[in-house]
Amino acid sequence: QVQLQESGPGLVKPSETLSLTCTVSGGSISGHYWSWVRQPPGKGLEWIGYVPYSGRTNYNPSLKSRVTMSVDTSKNQFSLKLSSVTAADTAVYYCARYYCTDGLCGGFDYWGQGTLVTVSS
Amino acid sequence: QTVVTQEPSSSVSPGGTVTLTCGLSSGSVSTTYYPSWYQQTPGQAPRTLIYFTNTRSSGVPDRFSGSILGNKAALTITGAQADDESDYYCVLYMGSGSWMFGGGTKLTVL
Repeated sequence: QVQLQESGPGLVKPSETLSLTCTVSGGSISGHYWSWVRQPPGKGLEWIGYVPYSGRTNYNPSLKSRVTMSVDTSKNQFSLKLSSVTAADTAVYYCARYYCTDGLCGGFDYWGQGTLVTVSS
Repeated sequence: QTVVTQEPSSSVSPGGTVTLTCGLSSGSVSTTYYPSWYQQTPGQAPRTLIYFTNTRSSGVPDRFSGSILGNKAALTITGAQADDESDYYCVLYMGSGSWMFGGGTKLTVL
């Protein structure tokens, strides 16, 4: 059974960089597309972007200038960096795996439990 | 910019049937938007219900079904149960590698 687990600081200062890692267990990171999704307190889900095991990343246009995602196949992990954070970036951050078949992706099949990141001085 | 739209709230009686929809502020949803659906209860991660419009995720009961109805994607719950009371989100592929979630529907079972 594939499991995803987010890790990283729960508190980040304004203007600094938020860094999170998602560790994949029970399956290989290779051959799949991976995503980050966030949810501000009391609000809906927001797609941040995706990173394939190999190939080009793609980010939400509203966050593109501040987001970097990468994969470390040797550790079976992928990561998120969000720079110049403000209080508006306070959210629960989820990592997720895309469900893909025959070269097409149709949603997410596995999710991490989520980690709350608060931006505050 | 086109956004994904969902009813903010909906209600259903126990044992009843309810359909939640997922549309676009401009245009029609088709299977090429690869709609998928998620259930979320407070404090929990989303649970995948449906992907590729109408494929149920493993372990999801068949009283949850996905479809295209008119110009929207739809999630239909038949035989509603008390523990179906949750927030439901859809996500669509918007093209050029981008995805967008709807604002979510809060479903009440009463």
